[in-house]
Amino acid sequence: QQQVKQSPQSLIVQKGGISIINCAYENTAFDYFPWYQQFPGKGPALLIAIRPDVSEKKEGRFTISFNKSAKQFSLHIMDSQPGDSATYFCAARPGYSTLTFGKGTMLLVSP
Amino acid sequence: DVKVTQSSRYLVKRTGEKVFLECVQDMDHENMFWYRQDPGLGLRLIYFSYDVKMKEKGDIPEGYSVSREKKERFSLILESASTNQTSMYLCASSSPSGASVQYFGPGTRLTVT
Repeated sequence: QQQVKQSPQSLIVQKGGISIINCAYENTAFDYFPWYQQFPGKGPALLIAIRPDVSEKKEGRFTISFNKSAKQFSLHIMDSQPGDSATYFCAARPGYSTLTFGKGTMLLVSP
Repeated sequence: DVKVTQSSRYLVKRTGEKVFLECVQDMDHENMFWYRQDPGLGLRLIYFSYDVKMKEKGDIPEGYSVSREKKERFSLILESASTNQTSMYLCASSSPSGASVQYFGPGTRLTVT
């Protein structure tokens, strides 16, 4: 019940396209859903996060869509750029506890 | 800017050796974490600490121990390294607030031969 299931494992998108990464969870106590971005040779860094009281959060080209009833959330990257090529991790946390991470998605944006 | 530093980027050790991985953060964060990252398995929590001299087991603590003698420093110890502990090790820190961001170090790639 602590798992966060992330898909796809890898993704190739053309420059200018939309990248979509999906996550699903079972634990209804989760109340904080961040996405982390990791470039090769670097540690992950927070990209964007959402709480379940809203259905969507947008920051620039990055949008989180949240469906509380389906217990799913997704990251959309609009106008994907080669510089967006990285590994993306979704995560979730109940209250003040620790984060549970998905297994990651390797995104490659082809020029 | 928050900075989390890890003592080594690459480390090669022999089976049975005692290994110390050091992590230091400069933001006076109460919380510190150790993860290991393996392809296809994502980030798995090994140990975490909410305060000096305090430690809690994460999801995969077997074969590891930790030490937190000072607020800014959190050490991961492999008492007797084994080949299945070859991995990327990531340290992170955060403040205790509800929406706290975890700040990660660059990682230590440990190879046990």
